[in-house]
Amino acid sequence: AQTVTQSQPEMSVQEAETVTLSCTYDTSENNYYLFWYKQPPSRQMILVIRQEAYKQQNATENRFSVNFQKAAKSFSLKISDSQLGDTAMYFCAFMKRGNEKLTFGTGTRLTIIP
Amino acid sequence: DTAVSQTPKYLVTQMGNDKSIKCEQNLGHDTMYWYKQDSKKFLKIMFSYNNKELIINETVPNRFSPKSPDKAHLNLHINSLELGDSAVYFCASSQDRGVGYYGYTFGSGTRLTVV
Repeated sequence: AQTVTQSQPEMSVQEAETVTLSCTYDTSENNYYLFWYKQPPSRQMILVIRQEAYKQQNATENRFSVNFQKAAKSFSLKISDSQLGDTAMYFCAFMKRGNEKLTFGTGTRLTIIP
Repeated sequence: DTAVSQTPKYLVTQMGNDKSIKCEQNLGHDTMYWYKQDSKKFLKIMFSYNNKELIINETVPNRFSPKSPDKAHLNLHINSLELGDSAVYFCASSQDRGVGYYGYTFGSGTRLTVV
């Protein structure tokens, strides 16, 4: 079974700074997808960024980028120029290709300080 | 236009009651899910349906029964509610069975409180 570990329960940074959230996973699969989801206080789950395991190039979406290290099974999220609206829980998630099940980590609560 | 809508958003009920949560998606997706988020924010899959067919049924008490009348709807019925059922329940959908690149689209969640 796949497991996803987020070792930072809480983090806080000053507005406009850069922050990196860590995620490691354990799998014997070779074809899979990785995701970061954001859950603000509104409770809505919002997809931030996604990565296909067979693509070596790291995914980027505006201020959000990932550092995907397949051999190390690491998938960290970097948020540049952090904004107050980035305050949320962030979940790392894994999905094996060919299987619909999304396995989540325990989340990191990120607070952006004005 | 709400892509995945759940009703109700909040539900407070007494132990022993039976309740239902409804979910509808207008994205044309083939697969729908129910996830449970506990008090520690941990998210875990409960059920998955593809085109009205049950695909995933995790270890969930049989008091929980999903029903999918068509591929756009997935409802969750819970019998004999217990205190431990208090949680946020999320409905979600995805486009391509087995091709998960696009991930899920989630509903806004239903906060169930059993008193």
